[in-house]
Amino acid sequence: GAVVSQHPSRVICKSGTSVKIECRSLDFQATTMFWYRQFPKQSLMLMATSNEGSKATYEQGVEKDKFLINHASLTLSTLTVTSAHPEDSSFYICSANPTGTYEQYFGPGTRLTVT
Amino acid sequence: AQSVTQPDIHITVSEGASLELRCNYSYGATPYLFWYVQSPGQGLQLLLKYFSGDTLVQGIKGFEAEFKRSQSSFNLRKPSVHWSDAAEYFCAVGEEGNKLVFGAGTILRVKS
Repeated sequence: GAVVSQHPSRVICKSGTSVKIECRSLDFQATTMFWYRQFPKQSLMLMATSNEGSKATYEQGVEKDKFLINHASLTLSTLTVTSAHPEDSSFYICSANPTGTYEQYFGPGTRLTVT
Repeated sequence: AQSVTQPDIHITVSEGASLELRCNYSYGATPYLFWYVQSPGQGLQLLLKYFSGDTLVQGIKGFEAEFKRSQSSFNLRKPSVHWSDAAEYFCAVGEEGNKLVFGAGTILRVKS
């Protein structure tokens, strides 16, 4: 149980285009999901908290207009990187918090490369 | 603000040897504490968690961790390491809003 999927696992896009990453909780409902960014050989940096049915909460320094988050259902959150640039290249990981619990279960991550 | 310190960036142990990964946290109240493991290019897998009660918690894959309030520590242990345990290990503390604050991680290498 507690499986979280991400799609795509890898994506390469050209500078200036937008990329959408999906995060799904497969066997549980998640009122809250989280989006992280991980640079090589570094820890996870929380970007935003995605709340079902309401606006996402962004961490300080994260541009909300660049990283659009939608949490339209209890099992799906999406992160759209708009007008991507090479510096947005990174490993993006989502996690889902089963409703009523404190644990977070992580997706396998999405490797984004912007050329 | 909460913080988590993992003092060891790399640790190398021989297969079959015991393992202890250190984690210290800074948090005012009783913390929610977690250990996660990450294999290269993968997401994080929850090994174990502490919320309250017995300070020695058992996790998956033979791991355990002990919460010591007096030392603000939550060290991860395993009595006998297997080659498949080589990965990066992250300690995390939960804060308001169910957010997690992660340590910098410890890379475990296992030599045969």
